[in-house]
Amino acid sequence: DADVTQTPRNRITKTGKRIMLECSQTKGHDRMYWYRQDPGLGLQLIYYSFDVKDINKGEISDGYSVSRQAQAKFSLSLESAIPNQTALYFCATSSDRGPGGELFFGEGSRLTVL
Amino acid sequence: AQSVTQLGSHVSVSEGALVLLRCNYSSSVPPYLFWYVQYPNQGLQLLLKYTTGATLVKGINGFEAEFKKSETSFHLTKPSAHMSDAAEYFCAVTERYNFNKFYFGSGTKLNVKP
Repeated sequence: DADVTQTPRNRITKTGKRIMLECSQTKGHDRMYWYRQDPGLGLQLIYYSFDVKDINKGEISDGYSVSRQAQAKFSLSLESAIPNQTALYFCATSSDRGPGGELFFGEGSRLTVL
Repeated sequence: AQSVTQLGSHVSVSEGALVLLRCNYSSSVPPYLFWYVQYPNQGLQLLLKYTTGATLVKGINGFEAEFKKSETSFHLTKPSAHMSDAAEYFCAVTERYNFNKFYFGSGTKLNVKP
């Protein structure tokens, strides 16, 4: 089983619908992240969380919200989806045990908003 | 904030040829540096990273990268390309004194011709 699991892997929805993307991890990491990937733009940080009570906005948080339900679970919500939120979304984790720790990624959730 | 520049959104090489993917960062203080690879329909996997010590870093699948402070660069190389190297490659950095955020380049798609 993957260390970082994202559900759903693919989702097609309509403008105005509420969407939740879920992420769970078995790595025991405290730090969790949501990124958005668009062709030619690399990865942009949406939100990040360093523990259950710590939530921080990233570069592009408008239109998104998150919930850290437990150390192992971090959900991303689109309250009212719009077409320009069509993208590939990645959840990632990292260890807080000193600097230089890398990110571990899930396999991605491809969202299409019609 | 940091910026990461990857020159060339698409690079094409013949099988057996040298692979060179370029990455430059903007910080005046050397950051921690990472290269990730993304195969189709998968998440990002760590290829290699530089934190301290030897400036030539070896990674998985025969890739290596050299940190050059004077050039603010961390270019990725592989002496002989293999068909299985076809993927998208991302350079990323975290700041040495604030390693909470990762900054990604826009990615380089590597095509390997038979």
